[in-house]
Amino acid sequence: QITLKESGPTVVKPTQTLTLTCTFSGFSLSTTKVGVGWIRQPPGKALEWLALIYWDDDQRYSPSLKSRVTITKDTSKNQVVLTMTNLDPVDTGTYYCAHKIPIAAAFDYWGQGTLVTVSS
Amino acid sequence: EIVLTQSPGTLSLSPGERATLSCRASQSVSSSYLAWYQQKPGQAPRLLIYGASSRATGIPDRFSGSGSGTDFTLTISRLEPEDFAVYYCQQYGTSLGYTFGQGTKLEIK
Repeated sequence: QITLKESGPTVVKPTQTLTLTCTFSGFSLSTTKVGVGWIRQPPGKALEWLALIYWDDDQRYSPSLKSRVTITKDTSKNQVVLTMTNLDPVDTGTYYCAHKIPIAAAFDYWGQGTLVTVSS
Repeated sequence: EIVLTQSPGTLSLSPGERATLSCRASQSVSSSYLAWYQQKPGQAPRLLIYGASSRATGIPDRFSGSGSGTDFTLTISRLEPEDFAVYYCQQYGTSLGYTFGQGTKLEIK
């Protein structure tokens, strides 16, 4: 079955760079039409999509965060990495990685999420 | 940017009742690119509906999606105790990526 798990720091200082890793199993990012995305959720607020990477290394970004976010993949390790620069306290929240359904624009399997707090 | 507005913000109903949740887009959205999620406290979102009306794997048939253009609806035919949660709609646009609505909280009356 498909599983995903996020890992990374729980606390980051303002202006620093955040690096999160999504380690997955049950599918391959070298299979046609497969994609993995990152979505975040500030405490008590709505979901916000950040980035998506496809099997062919096509990368898509949220227009509002494009200048600060980078998504990469390591197919051999079954990992997707999200990097976000110049963090601010408003970036505090739970960060999820998720598997995109190959046949639709939706995410069918999600990791448990990792809470990142931006604070000095 | 396409904005998704969900209504109502909070819906108070009793088990056994029918729930109707609305998602309105600021511009026309392809039905193929509209999805609904359920989220319970402390849990990741769970995909319910994709392509506006297709149920995801394992989703009970009391959940149904409909709509087109700018107006979409998630209907829960008979509420079960486990259905009380927050529901989000989501759309995809080729130029702007994915956006989510602000959510509807379905609470027990």
